[in-house]
Parts: sequence; structure tokens; C-alpha cells
Amino acid sequence: EAGVTQFPSHSVIEKGQTVTLRCDPISGHDNLYWYRRVMGKEIKFLLHFVKESKQDESGMPNNRFLAERTGGTYSTLKVQPAELEDSGVYFCASSQESRGKDEAFFGQGTRLTVV
Amino acid sequence: AQSVTQLDSQVPVFEEAPVELRCNYSSSVSVYLFWYVQYPNQGLQLLLKYLSGSTLVKGINGFEAEFNKSQTSFHLRKPSVHISDTAEYFCAVSDSDSWGKLQFGAGTQVVVTP
Repeated sequence: EAGVTQFPSHSVIEKGQTVTLRCDPISGHDNLYWYRRVMGKEIKFLLHFVKESKQDESGMPNNRFLAERTGGTYSTLKVQPAELEDSGVYFCASSQESRGKDEAFFGQGTRLTVV
Repeated sequence: AQSVTQLDSQVPVFEEAPVELRCNYSSSVSVYLFWYVQYPNQGLQLLLKYLSGSTLVKGINGFEAEFNKSQTSFHLRKPSVHISDTAEYFCAVSDSDSWGKLQFGAGTQVVVTP
């Protein structure tokens, strides 16, 4: 069974450009989470989807970040326009149990560099 | 509000020696506790978790952790490390019913040398 897959693995963009990160969760997992690790800092929660609905987006830093999960399958995280401080590693995780009481499986992350 | 403190940013250790990674947390409510590991060029993998019951939790790859409520700690230990244990280790807590919404510590880089 495939794990959580994230695309691309690396992205280098200029300040002001738009970038879209994609996450494919494990098949059948209703819960999908996005996290970010800015260099030298902790891994921070961004948001949580249950199927296609945003359950909790309390960690989204500002309105330049837009997450979607159409159809309750894969998810995208768009940064528009990107700023230098958005550089970091973006992780996606998924879990199966509909009530959320289940281990979260993480992807390898997307390393975003804004120059 | 809750927070997680990993007291060591880097821990060098010789192969076959024991290692302990320290984690303290603060929370006003009951929490679930986790240790994740990130091997080079891989995603985070769950090592072990504490939900309730026995305070000594055994995980994968020979790791174990002990929950100490009075000291609000959840230290990770391994009696004899291998070169392959070189990785970054993260302590995390969740106070919600969603185990995927985690508050992470800053991470501890373990470097095992022969």
C-alpha cells in the first residue's frame, strides 16, 4: 500500500510567485493534515481536513495560504504570493479513523525555498 | 495552551551505547504523547505513543519511553543504539481527539558514531 505522497519534493520560486503543493493521502484515509517546519523552528500544525471539509484551520498563517481537498481525496496547498518567510518544509499527514483517534502517517515533505 | 520542550538539540552517541532523549510538556488538560523519528530523506514515522494505562511504553526498533505525570515528562530511551538510529527525533503532544493535530518539540538530532 502506498504511503502519503507529496509533490514536488523540492520547489524553488521567486518572491511574489505562486506555488501549489500537493498531497496524496493513504487511500481511504478521511483525515488529512498539513504541517510546516520553518528552518530552525518546530513543526507547526497548519490545518486539518475531514474528507473535503476543513475541520480546523487555526494554524494557517495568513490569507496567502489556501488549502483545498476537493472530493475528499488529494489536497493542495497554494501559497500566493510567496514571501521569503514561507520557506521551509511542508509536511502532509493522513489518518484513517473518522473520529481522528488513529496514528497519523506522514509524507516525506516538500522543501520550499523562496528567493 | 500546551507546549513541548526537547531539552537537547543534538545528542552524539557511540554505537552500542545507551541514549536518552528528554521531553517535557506543559498542558492544562490531559494529553496524548508521541515520539516520531525522521530518518534522512524520509517522512516522520511514529516510534511509540502514550494514551493511558502503563506509564512505560514500548515502541519500534527497541525504543521505549516513560510517562511521568508529576514531572510532565516523556523521555525516550534505547539501551543500545545502532548506526541506523542516526535521525532526528520529535516529541509531540495532542490534547484533542484528533491524534493528527500535534504540538511538536523542536527535535533532537541523534548522531551515532562507531
